[in-house]
Amino acid sequence: SQQGEEDPQALSIQEGENATMNCSYKTSINNLQWYRQNSGRGLVHLILIRSNEREKHSGRLRVTLDTSKKSSSLLITASRAADTASYFCATEPGGSYIPTFGRGTSLIVHP
Amino acid sequence: KAGVTQTPRYLIKTRGQQVTLSCSPISGHRSVSWYQQTPGQGLQFLFEYFSETQRNKGNFPGRFSGRQFSNSRSEMNVSTLELGDSALYLCASSSLQSGETQYFGPGTRLLVL
Repeated sequence: SQQGEEDPQALSIQEGENATMNCSYKTSINNLQWYRQNSGRGLVHLILIRSNEREKHSGRLRVTLDTSKKSSSLLITASRAADTASYFCATEPGGSYIPTFGRGTSLIVHP
Repeated sequence: KAGVTQTPRYLIKTRGQQVTLSCSPISGHRSVSWYQQTPGQGLQFLFEYFSETQRNKGNFPGRFSGRQFSNSRSEMNVSTLELGDSALYLCASSSLQSGETQYFGPGTRLLVL
């Protein structure tokens, strides 16, 4: 099974609304990263948060990490139609150099 | 800096054939990783090369192989293609072996008929 699992699998919202997606993982990690993928294309790195960090911001993005619950959340504020994409979390389990991706959350932002 | 480039972008092959995909990392990046993405299995790690050496390997059969050249460019090869090998193959580069941001190429979409 996947190390990281995103929730929900799909999310449909209106422009201007906030979008929150979650990632849960099973083992201890060195860091957690969020990526975006537009349909059938390569992944774009959004944010990296290290295991000793609790929150990070980048523009309209806010990522939190709760290592006690083994979970992370990605918040996109004031969403735009251009935010429509799949969002993946990726972790590197402690001691492993193999990044593991979840199955992603498919976000649709309606104009 | 130019981004990660992958060639070809699209490929159609038939069962039993072999295929070679190419990846040119961002200049200065020494680590190149390969992933297979399918609707059923999601993104799965194939292998990672660092300074011409395979450092990590995922759970794929021996039909999947790769190599890295002295200029950090990498190729992956799939022999005896199966229908299930149809996928988007993504290459990613990073400056260090692990724990840092990976920069992905646009991918090669392989269709096996």
